[in-house]
Amino acid sequence: DAGVTQSPTHLIKTRGQHVTLRCSPISGHKSVSWYQQVLGQGPQFIFQYYEKEERGRGNFPDRFSARQFPNYSSELNVNALLLGDSALYLCASSPHGGYGNEQFFGPGTRLTVL
Amino acid sequence: QQPVQSPQAVILREGEDAVINCSSSKALYSVHWYRQKHGEAPVFLMILLKGGEQKGHEKISASFNEKKQQSSLYLTASQLSYSGTYFCGTDEAGGGADGLTFGKGTHLIIQP
Repeated sequence: DAGVTQSPTHLIKTRGQHVTLRCSPISGHKSVSWYQQVLGQGPQFIFQYYEKEERGRGNFPDRFSARQFPNYSSELNVNALLLGDSALYLCASSPHGGYGNEQFFGPGTRLTVL
Repeated sequence: QQPVQSPQAVILREGEDAVINCSSSKALYSVHWYRQKHGEAPVFLMILLKGGEQKGHEKISASFNEKKQQSSLYLTASQLSYSGTYFCGTDEAGGGADGLTFGKGTHLIIQP
């Protein structure tokens, strides 16, 4: 079975620009979570979506937004990019909402903001 | 609140054992363990849930002390492939609304 897929793999943007990152969960999984991982740190929670509704949001500014589509894929949008947004953005899928379930991470999108 | 992992780094010879600890000041619903190699995504190892349920890889063992809000990951007879950074992620609510909160990681180096 295919794992979690993310696109693009790498992205270079300049300050002030907008970026859209995409994630396709494992087939049958209905929950998608987004994490930001800066170098040398653990992942930091941004959003969780389950059944197309936002279930949770981490401590990130409103420049960050996300949505989940009927096929359970998801997009993360970041507006007005700052240098500090440079990080690895990870998507994780799980069968359903709640954390009694394994979360499986995708390969990530490495975003560099210049 | 971010869980505290210890030690920060470990260097072992192949075949030696290691224990990685994760401690939280909050009451936890579950603890999740991941291994991440440089430039790669975290790989799921194990979940330990309040009440004693565990789900994970057969070759990995771990414990969760609910009274102390502490979890330990046991790596026995280490192999070169065990090298990487180990993260614990904790969930306080059980409903997913706050996501997993990850520690800073434990760097494990296995030498031949």
